[in-house]
Amino acid sequence: GESVGLHLPTLSVQEGDNSIINCAYSNSASDYFIWYKQESGKGPQFIIDIRSNMDKRQGQRVTVLLNKTVKHLSLQIAATQPGDSAVYFCAEGSGYALNFGKGTSLLVTP
Amino acid sequence: GAGVSQSPSNKVTEKGKDVELRCDPISGHTALYWYRQSLGQGLEFLIYFQGNSAPDKSGLPSDRFSAERTGGSVSTLTIQRTQQEDSAVYLCASSLGGELFFGEGSRLTVL
Repeated sequence: GESVGLHLPTLSVQEGDNSIINCAYSNSASDYFIWYKQESGKGPQFIIDIRSNMDKRQGQRVTVLLNKTVKHLSLQIAATQPGDSAVYFCAEGSGYALNFGKGTSLLVTP
Repeated sequence: GAGVSQSPSNKVTEKGKDVELRCDPISGHTALYWYRQSLGQGLEFLIYFQGNSAPDKSGLPSDRFSAERTGGSVSTLTIQRTQQEDSAVYLCASSLGGELFFGEGSRLTVL
């Protein structure tokens, strides 16, 4: 079946640095991609999404990049803060079906 | 309510017992999902409801798992004859299309 995976299971960055979390997907039919943030003991929270007709989308301190040629998705967090420490999941899908990756744990150190 | 509400937040049960997990979606959201998250793992799709359409049950791991959605709103996930491998966080999400809004989850521990 199709799969979504992450290159790095854990990422440690210093406060103030930029973070980049990567995700590979294999379903070329996917047309919708989302990043979620999950803090300990909580449900996933939406961060940003992107449709397949775009290759970049920016939010507040976050940017999502989509490279359909190599089926790669990345989340960039600018000026990472301690509150950004969490597990980040990418998800890809088409229609209502969303397939989630295993997540990357981001640890922000002072 | 303002968000997706799930209950109970924690459930400890003995192997072989049945459990029911409840989800109150955001009012007006037509789509409702159940996912399972095992420790340190990603989200495993279980079931999807959309309006009055037949649900997509393709993710249910066995016939011990079932779910209902009454009146297009509240949903109940039932696990019969629980096994230790059923221990996980069960997440419910609702949507109007696109972004999914998740609840805090129900943590199930089967002893």
